[in-house]
Amino acid sequence: GAVVSQHPSWVICKSGTSVKIECRSLDFQATTMFWYRQFPKQSLMLMATSNEGSKATYEQGVEKDKFLINHASLTLSTLTVTSAHPEDSSFYICSDSPVGDGTYEQYFGPGTRLTVT
Amino acid sequence: QKEVEQNSGPLSVPEGAIASLNCTYSDRGSQSFFWYRQYSGKSPELIMSIYSNGDKEDGRFTAQLNKASQYVSLLIRDSQPSDSATYLCAVNEEGGSEKLVFGKGTKLTVNP
Repeated sequence: GAVVSQHPSWVICKSGTSVKIECRSLDFQATTMFWYRQFPKQSLMLMATSNEGSKATYEQGVEKDKFLINHASLTLSTLTVTSAHPEDSSFYICSDSPVGDGTYEQYFGPGTRLTVT
Repeated sequence: QKEVEQNSGPLSVPEGAIASLNCTYSDRGSQSFFWYRQYSGKSPELIMSIYSNGDKEDGRFTAQLNKASQYVSLLIRDSQPSDSATYLCAVNEEGGSEKLVFGKGTKLTVNP
């Protein structure tokens, strides 16, 4: 399967600060990237979809001003959690899907565990 | 409302047995179906993709798809303790969307 790197793997920050998470596709030339959030013992919740050169598409209920997504290059997307609060503590996982191959397969990065104190 | 339903389990099987995981989906136009394995504290890992009705085998894993019944399953033969994980069923949204809709997962425990 494809390789997706995600950095950092875990982060602890204080309430009110911002945290940036990087997601990089290592196998594909151009990808669509997806950002998910997963709370303990719950399933994945899609937050947004991003492609290089266009604004991210956010799912209903996800605050675009709080969760800033920048798809900086064909294979790099970043998620910035702004003014983080304890309720933002979660497991954030990105995935990529190769553009145009028609399989809709998604490959996940290792995830970032965010704890806001 | 697009839905993917899975029995949350837990499903417990003895080592060497066949584990059967089931999933139903609501979006009749879906064309791509996936099984992911997620170990506790880790991210999901794609283990099977299936696009056509029937069976698809890969090692100890067999995925089965029945579009008429909107049903997809995963069989794990000769189950091993290392198969103990949560298995997520995922289906693409109809209309060629790249987005996947995930079930809540079935937790499988394989007892030695």
